[in-house]
Amino acid sequence: AQSVAQPEDQVNVAEGNPLTVKCTYSVSGNPYLFWYVQYPNRGLQFLLKYITGDNLVKGSYGFEAEFNKSQTSFHLKKPSALVSDSALYFCAVRPPGATNKLIFGTGTLLAVQP
Amino acid sequence: DTGVSQNPRHKITKRGQNVTFRCDPISEHNRLYWYRQTLGQGPEFLTYFQNEAQLEKSRLLSDRFSAERPKGSFSTLEIQRTEQGDSAMYLCASSLPTYTEAFFGQGTRLTVV
Repeated sequence: AQSVAQPEDQVNVAEGNPLTVKCTYSVSGNPYLFWYVQYPNRGLQFLLKYITGDNLVKGSYGFEAEFNKSQTSFHLKKPSALVSDSALYFCAVRPPGATNKLIFGTGTLLAVQP
Repeated sequence: DTGVSQNPRHKITKRGQNVTFRCDPISEHNRLYWYRQTLGQGPEFLTYFQNEAQLEKSRLLSDRFSAERPKGSFSTLEIQRTEQGDSAMYLCASSLPTYTEAFFGQGTRLTVV
């Protein structure tokens, strides 16, 4: 079955330190990969995507993600965390083929301490 | 505001009642999606429209659920004979026809009592 795993329910990091939010997927072929962020009482906001090309993609608010095909991973990273980065982060994949659905992970709560 | 708009933001209904939600996508987006999100879970795909055509439906979309997009602009999602298990956040998203990211609305939170 196609699935997305975010193994950490919560990630804690001190402000100014680098952060990583992990995502692995189980989808055959070459899926499209996305990260979204959800703030309280707000909708999902798009951060970045990988379609093809360079394995390191850069997105909004200083975030970047690294695609690793052999490990089927798409980890989200930021060199220096801000308190305002505290939110719920979702990894999503769009399987290849005749589908337009996104399959989401269960989300990782990022808590950045001042 | 030119983002995806959903109404109402909150809906409380009694079990067995029918409810209808509305989604207004970004104006130039011809693709529209509905997702459902329960507490502690990621969004789950329900259905997808390209213009007015409903092209994909999840098995989660039981026969009590129906979605329409009559003129290829706004969409409605109706749930008939609501059950407590229908309580969730219903999210609408839209996108351009190329393989780009989807933009989400703030959702409609349904509580069935």
